[in-house]
Amino acid sequence: QPVLTQPPSASEIPGQSVTISCSGTPSNIGKNYVYWYQQLPGKAPRLLIYRNNQRPSGVPDRFSASKAVTSASLAISGLRSEDEGDYYCAAWDDTLTTSCVFGTGTKVTVL
Amino acid sequence: QVQLKQWGARVLRPSETLSLTCAVDGGPFSGFSWDWIRQPPGGGLEWIGEFQDSGKTKYNPSLKSRVTMSVDASRGQFFLNLTSVTAADTAVYYCARADYSAPEAYGMDVWGQGTTITVSS
Repeated sequence: QPVLTQPPSASEIPGQSVTISCSGTPSNIGKNYVYWYQQLPGKAPRLLIYRNNQRPSGVPDRFSASKAVTSASLAISGLRSEDEGDYYCAAWDDTLTTSCVFGTGTKVTVL
Repeated sequence: QVQLKQWGARVLRPSETLSLTCAVDGGPFSGFSWDWIRQPPGGGLEWIGEFQDSGKTKYNPSLKSRVTMSVDASRGQFFLNLTSVTAADTAVYYCARADYSAPEAYGMDVWGQGTTITVSS
C-alpha cells in the first residue's frame, strides 16, 4: 500500500508560520487531488483542504495549500495554540487498484 | 448539521469478526460515498475502504480479503465487517462521508466520533 510521506513533526512559536510537505508519486498526487485533514488531540479528523487548495466553510484563511507535480504542502500562518495537533495529507492512488492513501502525518507543536 | 453516529462491539477476541454501523443523521444518504478509516494506537490514519453511491466498493488492497462494506439506504446506515481479526486490528475506527464527484470533489467532509476497537485474547 503506497503512502504519502510527511515530516513527522513541525514546530513554531505563536504568530509565526509553519509549512508541512507531502511527497507522493505520479500515480497519486501526480494525477489526483490532494486533501488535508486536521486531527486535534483526542478528536476525529476534520477536513481542512479539498481539491488541492480549497478551504471548506469555517476553515480560517490562515490555512493554505498548494500542489506541485508529485508533492503538496500545507501552510499555517499566524500560528495559534489551538492549531496544535496532527495533520494528514491524502490522495487517491491509481497503482494497480484505485485506493485512497493517507500521508504519514505531521505533528504540529506550538511552542 | 449532518452528523455520523457509529457503534459496534468494542472488544473482540482473535479470529472474531468486527462489525460496525454508522448512521447518517440530519442529511441525505444518496449522492455520497461512505468510507471507513482506522487509526492504531499512536499511529496514523489508514483508509479501509469505501461504498460508493453507484453501489461499487473499493477496498484497501492490504485488507481486501477480510473486508466487506454494505449499506441500508432506507435507514441511512452503512456497515463495516472485518473478519479474522488479530491484535494488529486494534485501532480507533472512523466512518466518514465522502464526495469526490466533479466539480466539487470535497473529500471526506463529515466524520463519525470514532469507535475504539480492542482485539485481545
